[in-house]
Amino acid sequence: DAGVIQSPRHEVTEMGQEVTLRCKPISGHDYLFWYRQTMMRGLELLIYFNNNVPIDDSGMPEDRFSAKMPNASFSTLKIQPSEPRDSAVYFCASKTITGKDTGELFFGEGSRLTVL
Amino acid sequence: GNSVTQMEGPVTLSEEAFLTINCTYTATGYPSLFWYVQYPGEGLQLLLKATKADDKGSNKGFEATYRKETTSFHLEKGSVQVSDSAVYFCALSPYSGYSTLTFGKGTMLLVSP
Repeated sequence: DAGVIQSPRHEVTEMGQEVTLRCKPISGHDYLFWYRQTMMRGLELLIYFNNNVPIDDSGMPEDRFSAKMPNASFSTLKIQPSEPRDSAVYFCASKTITGKDTGELFFGEGSRLTVL
Repeated sequence: GNSVTQMEGPVTLSEEAFLTINCTYTATGYPSLFWYVQYPGEGLQLLLKATKADDKGSNKGFEATYRKETTSFHLEKGSVQVSDSAVYFCALSPYSGYSTLTFGKGTMLLVSP
């Protein structure tokens, strides 16, 4: 089975432009997470969905960031307008919970965003 | 609240050296504990886990024991290889079946030949 698929792998854009990152979770997984990784702040949880419904978006830095999950096999993270401080690696991850097992989190390879 | 504290890196070792990466946690109740590894240019992947006190998780020669009395989950390996060079993240779930993980900041390991 394919893992979590993210696109694009690399994005270079100019300040003020809109950026859309995409994620396809593993089939059958009902949780989807968006993380941001930077040297300064480490790994930060931005938002997560359960059964396509956003559960906790308290990690979204500001209104410039938005995330959607229109169906079980696709999610987007959008930044509009982008700023240089948004430069980071953005990871999508998915999992399912079976009974009392917390469930292994499966990560995509990440989207490296550079905002000039 | 829940938190994970890891030793700061980078940890620099020669091949075949013994590895310890310290991890302590703060949580109420009985959390599940995890180590994830991130190889260069990749996403994180689960290395090992332990779900109750005194459990030992192990994988690929790495081990970690869930110590409730010291709230620790230190990662160890008896003989590291160059291919073990990566960033290691300690994480917790406050209880089994909980949806999200709390991650530490990560510890970079560099192994030289």
